[in-house]
Amino acid sequence: EAGVTQFPSHSVIEKGQTVTLRCDPISGHDNLYWYRRVMGKEIKFLLHFVKESKQDESGMPNNRFLAERTGGTYSTLKVQPAELEDSGVYFCASSQDGTGQPQHFGDGTRLSIL
Amino acid sequence: AQSVTQLGSHVSVSEGALVLLRCNYSSSVPPYLFWYVQYPNQGLQLLLKYTSAATLVKGINGFEAEFKKSETSFHLTKPSAHMSDAAEYFCAVSNRGSNYKLTFGKGTLLTVNP
Repeated sequence: EAGVTQFPSHSVIEKGQTVTLRCDPISGHDNLYWYRRVMGKEIKFLLHFVKESKQDESGMPNNRFLAERTGGTYSTLKVQPAELEDSGVYFCASSQDGTGQPQHFGDGTRLSIL
Repeated sequence: AQSVTQLGSHVSVSEGALVLLRCNYSSSVPPYLFWYVQYPNQGLQLLLKYTSAATLVKGINGFEAEFKKSETSFHLTKPSAHMSDAAEYFCAVSNRGSNYKLTFGKGTLLTVNP
């Protein structure tokens, strides 16, 4: 089966611009998670979708971040406007159910804000 | 609430030597525990998981981990290191109280010397 796919793999933008990250989960996985690793820090949870609904968005840094999962398939994470501290690696993960089963991760999107 | 502490941000071993990566967790309810590995320029790959079954868990690539409730530990071991084991390793915890989102440790970079 195809794994979790993230696009783009790397994005370099200037402060103040907008960037949209995309995640395609494993087919049939209702649960989709976004995480972020800022350089030198641990990987941190951003939010969790169950199908198209936001189950938990307690980790979203601020209102410049907007996540969507229309139709319960792929998800997008938009940063508008981007700030320097948004730089990092953004990971997406999916799992079949939300009861402690392992989450399968994509390769991540490395976001660099100049 | 849950948290993970990985002792040692960098561990260096010789090829053929024992690998021991330490992980201690904190969880207010029974935890699910995971070890993930990240090879350069790749995503997170699941090594093994503990989900309340056997306390000694065997994973891929010869790795195993033992869940010790009394010590709140989940250390990762491999009897004989191989050059291909060089990567960053992450311990993570989730539980029902946190809606199964993962909380990661800061990661341990494993170097294998010839």
